[in-house]
Order: sequence, then C-alpha cells, then structure tokens
Amino acid sequence: AQTVTQSQPEMSVQEAETVTLSCTYDTSESDYYLFWYKQPPSRQMILVIRQEAYKQQNATENRFSVNFQKAAKSFSLKISDSQLGDAAMYFCAYRGGGTSYGKLTFGQGTILTVHP
Amino acid sequence: SQTIHQWPATLVQPVGSPLSLECTVEGTSNPNLYWYRQAAGRGLQLLFYSVGIGQISSEVPQNLSASRPQDRQFILSSKKLLLSDSGFYLCAWSGRGPRETQYFGPGTRLLVL
Repeated sequence: AQTVTQSQPEMSVQEAETVTLSCTYDTSESDYYLFWYKQPPSRQMILVIRQEAYKQQNATENRFSVNFQKAAKSFSLKISDSQLGDAAMYFCAYRGGGTSYGKLTFGQGTILTVHP
Repeated sequence: SQTIHQWPATLVQPVGSPLSLECTVEGTSNPNLYWYRQAAGRGLQLLFYSVGIGQISSEVPQNLSASRPQDRQFILSSKKLLLSDSGFYLCAWSGRGPRETQYFGPGTRLLVL
C-alpha cells in the first residue's frame, strides 16, 4: 500500500521569506501523481500544485514550486515570498495512475505559520 | 466552471440519530465523486467513491453508507450515529480517468453528542 509521510507537524516563516515543506512517499508504481493541497482555517481543501511522476521538470505555480526527486521518493513544496494568506495546513497527497477512480492518499499535514 | 456544494455546513446530532449529508456538483457531467473524513484536523481518509449513478465503493468498514441517486449528487448517510462519527466530512469530484485532479467542497462539520 502507498504511504505518504510529512515529517514536519509545524513550520513557521517570516513574511516575504522562503519556506520548504517536506514530503516523502512509498510506492511500487511507476505511474502516479503527487499533489499539495492547502487547508486554511475555513477547512476547504485547495489545490496548490500538481506533479506527474513521468515529468522530470518540477512543477511551478507562481510563488509555489516543488522539488520532485523520484528516486528518493521525495516531493517538497517551496513557498517563496511568503504571505500572511499562506498560513494554513498543507497536505501532500499521492494518487496512483493505475485506476480510473483516483484514490488520494494523504499525509498527516504540516501547519504553516507566517509571522508578519 | 465547475462548482461543488455541500450541506449542511455544520451539524450537531445526538448519538443514535440518523444522518444525511448531501454533495452536488455543477458544471460537469459524469464526474467521479468521493467522500472523505478528516478527524482531529489531520489527514483525510477516503470513505466512499463513485464512478457512476448507483455505483458505490467503500474503502473502510464503518457505520456509514453512501448513495448516488443522480449523476451529480452524492449522499452520505447513517441509520444510527456513533460518537466516533464526529469529524469533518469532505466531498470531492474529479473528471474520469487517472490523470484527473480532485477538487473539494467546503465540507461539513459533524459533532455527535
């Protein structure tokens, strides 16, 4: 079974600084997808960024980028120029490519605090 | 654009009472639909998924059931709630196929007393 591990229960960053959230996963599949979701205090899950395992290039979305190391099964999220609105819980998630229904396996989350 | 709705937003129910949570999706057809539960503000656990009307698959044995009476409607139910059913319930949808991303609704907070 696939597992996703986020080893940092909490992280903090100063506004305008950069922070990196860690995620590792375990799988025997070759085709899969990785995601970072953000959960603000409203608790709605918001997609931040997505990475396809077959792509070597790291995904980027504005201030958010990932460092995808397939051999190491590592998928970290870098937030640049942190803003107060980035404060939230961040979840790393895995989805295998072998089924049509796309079950997501989530990590336990990292609470990010942004200090002004 | 696609929109996903959940209601109610918050629910307080006594132990042993029935439950019905509803999820509807707009702006798409034939979506895959999912119910997740989040306990204690941590990771999400998939409870049910559906790839079509009347097609429900359960991921974990539990006190809950799900139904999909219409293409874009997904319902989570229980005949008798337990204290352990308290939590935050999230509905999600995706397009068909393994490359599709899941998008989540606003969630329902359920407190069983």
